This record gives sequence, C-alpha cells and structure tokens, in this order.
Amino acid sequence: GQQLNQSPQSMFIQEGEDVSMNCTSSSIFNTWLWYKQDPGEGPVLLIALYKAGELTSNGRLTAQFGITRKDSFLNISASIPSDVGIYFCAGERNDMRFGAGTRLTVKP
Amino acid sequence: DAGVTQSPTHLIKTRGQQVTLRCSPKSGHDTVSWYQQALGQGPQFIFQYYEEEERQRGNFPDRFSGHQFPNYSSELNVNALLLGDSALYLCASRMVENYGYTFGSGTRLTVV
Repeated sequence: GQQLNQSPQSMFIQEGEDVSMNCTSSSIFNTWLWYKQDPGEGPVLLIALYKAGELTSNGRLTAQFGITRKDSFLNISASIPSDVGIYFCAGERNDMRFGAGTRLTVKP
Repeated sequence: DAGVTQSPTHLIKTRGQQVTLRCSPKSGHDTVSWYQQALGQGPQFIFQYYEEEERQRGNFPDRFSGHQFPNYSSELNVNALLLGDSALYLCASRMVENYGYTFGSGTRLTVV
C-alpha cells in the first residue's frame, strides 16, 4: 500500500527555534499536503504542494515537494507556543494517505 | 460559512451493534472522504464518495459501508462492531481534485 514514513515522531524545542520535519514514501504522489491537528479537532490544512520541486510558504511555514515526488519536508521558523500540536504529512494520488504524525512541543 | 459538520460528536455502542455516522460537507464541496483515526495514529483512509458512488476504498472490511446523498452529504455505516473499531471517525470534503480536504471535528466512537 501507500506507506508514508514521517519523522521525527516527536520534537521538544525552545520557543524561537526553527523546526524541520519530513515525510518519505516508496510511492509517487501527485500532491503533498501538510496538516496540523489540535486535541479534539480534525486536521487543518497548512500547505498544499502540487508540482515536483515546488517550494511554498505560508507565513512562518515553508514546505517543499520532493523532486522524486516521493518525499516532502515542512519547516517552521521562529516557533511560538501556539505551534504546539501534531503535524501530519499526506500524499495524494487516487486518494489521500497520511503519515503517523510529528508531535511538537514548544517550551516558552 | 459552516465547514464540515459531523454528527454525533460522541457515541458509545456495544460490541456487535451497528452504527451510522453523518457528515455534511462544506458548502460547494462535492467529494467526501471518511477516515478512521485511532489514538496516537494518523488518519486511515476508509473510502471516498463522489456523485453518490464509492470511488476509492482503503483497506477496510465490508462491515464498513457508506452512502452519499444528492445534496452531497454522506453517511458511514459500521456493522457488527468490534472493540477495535473504537476511534475518531473523520469526514473530509473538497470541491475539485488536487485541492486539500477540509476536515470536520470528527465523531468519537467507543465500543464497549
């Protein structure tokens, strides 16, 4: 099946630090997406990437669609306490599949 | 503008029972997908509905079935509930292909 390997599983960082997480797969995807999920809520779309090599920013967030179409990364710059949550990568071809998530903790 | 609406928010069922979960997509969206999210895991794709037909299906048994109505709303049915079916069930909708889905807040199903 379409397995997405997301790393790291969890991160504990100091407020103001930059964060990087990534996702790899053995399958090719047409679209890569990054979502954030807060407790008791559904995932919220942060960034969507539609072309291999595409680099897209959304405020302090930057994500890239890998050139092989099998990977993507998400960077968060100058982290703040409200960045706390679980970040999921998702790849879409015929349907959308998710990674296992990266749990981010930001210490003030 | 209401986003994706799911009902009920919480549900407790007994093993062997049947359950129906409901989803109203975001206004203007015509495609609905359902996901199961176990505690501490990423969402797992169950199936996708478009034009009232199941278009894609994940690795879930036939006990999981669905329906999409002409107004694009959708139902997820699970028969013969097992303890392992306890999870957060998420509904997501979108308008066209290759655009990100909008998710509801989910239905928390507990099977006892």
